[in-house]
Amino acid sequence: GAGVSQTPSNKVTEKGKYVELRCDPISGHTALYWYRQSLGQGPEFLIYFQGTGAADDSGLPNDRFFAVRPEGSVSTLKIQRTERGDSAVYLCASSLNWGSEAFFGQGTRLTVV
Amino acid sequence: GEDVEQSLFLSVREGDSSVINCTYTDSSSTYLYWYKQEPGAGLQLLTYIFSNMDMKQDQRLTVLLNKKDKHLSLRIADTQTGDSAIYFCAELIDKLIFGTGTRLQVFP
Repeated sequence: GAGVSQTPSNKVTEKGKYVELRCDPISGHTALYWYRQSLGQGPEFLIYFQGTGAADDSGLPNDRFFAVRPEGSVSTLKIQRTERGDSAVYLCASSLNWGSEAFFGQGTRLTVV
Repeated sequence: GEDVEQSLFLSVREGDSSVINCTYTDSSSTYLYWYKQEPGAGLQLLTYIFSNMDMKQDQRLTVLLNKKDKHLSLRIADTQTGDSAIYFCAELIDKLIFGTGTRLQVFP
């Protein structure tokens, strides 16, 4: 596609449920990033993939959060046992390679009720 | 450590210049970026500067970098109402670290 695509655009889930957020990067981009943006805050780094492997997952807040990118393209961010504090906009970005311009998707707004 | 600070709010009159400031703490940054975020929209890259430069101009945008003081600024000339948005600076170390964002409000 022309840009980074994230689905769904909005997700409302009940506390304790499992959610998956999907990111389709720009074709050919090897680097993929996940960020979380809470209301009134800047994006907070979660995890970065180079190809299929997680090059840096130091931003994942705890073991309820996990992300995969099995074929080096689409990535899924998985959140287990969701909590109300997980409510935020989850942003995905991709770049041709590390250090080149990162293009952001529109984000998935997750609301945990 | 990694910390990027910005003032929260800036209000300017249409046609005036806007200057948005940012300070960062990690001197190993390779690139520094300015992103724009409009309500309900994703992040749009406006401009960037390599850490060995001290100035970059791109049409109405001027980026100044003072590496000694770890200070970055974005000047928008002839500010328009369409420039109203939140502006984030970000530094690239091994990953992009964003500031808290500055909300720019442009009034007629």
